[in-house]
Amino acid sequence: GESVGLHLPTLSVQEGDNSIINCAYSNSASDYFIWYKQESGKGPQFIIDIRSNMDKRQGQRVTVLLNKTVKHLSLQIAATQPGDSAVYFCAADTGNQFYFGTGTSLTVIP
Amino acid sequence: DVKVTQSSRYLVKRTGEKVFLECVQDMDHENMFWYRQDPGLGLRLIYFSYDVKMKEKGDIPEGYSVSREKKERFSLILESASTNQTSMYLCASSLLPRSYEQFFGPGTRLTVL
Repeated sequence: GESVGLHLPTLSVQEGDNSIINCAYSNSASDYFIWYKQESGKGPQFIIDIRSNMDKRQGQRVTVLLNKTVKHLSLQIAATQPGDSAVYFCAADTGNQFYFGTGTSLTVIP
Repeated sequence: DVKVTQSSRYLVKRTGEKVFLECVQDMDHENMFWYRQDPGLGLRLIYFSYDVKMKEKGDIPEGYSVSREKKERFSLILESASTNQTSMYLCASSLLPRSYEQFFGPGTRLTVL
């Protein structure tokens, strides 16, 4: 199986600052990772993904870093905006199914 | 854009009732999934389906069954609802079986009294 956990259940950042959300996984066979954003009352929404043959991937205002040595990935959000307030969680794919973390609730302070 | 819809946003049922949760996707995806989401726990997979009339148990199938008669529709059935099935239920679909992005519906918050 797999165990996926986030380091902080909550995170507050000032608008305009950068946010970093961390995630740890346990199964070294996990080879695909996704970050999801879930706004209140909505289903999770895909943000960015990364495969295990990469250590960094960038999207629009977001960057995912993968450290396979310590089984850790992070999501960095640049210039955080109020609309970024949501729960963020990672998912790890072992090749059989996805395992989801519990989520970090990000609050952006105006 | 992929659209995954769920029949109800909120549902209140009594213990022992049979409950149907419906999910429809409009992007011709082969794969559909049912999860439940509880505070302090990650999404947990109940059942999934890779094709019409095909179903596979996930991590927590006990107390649930599913039906996939048409490609676009995946139903979750609680044969006899219990209070420990009070939860947020999320349906998802994906184009490929795994290692691929899943698109989620808005969720159904089920309360069993």
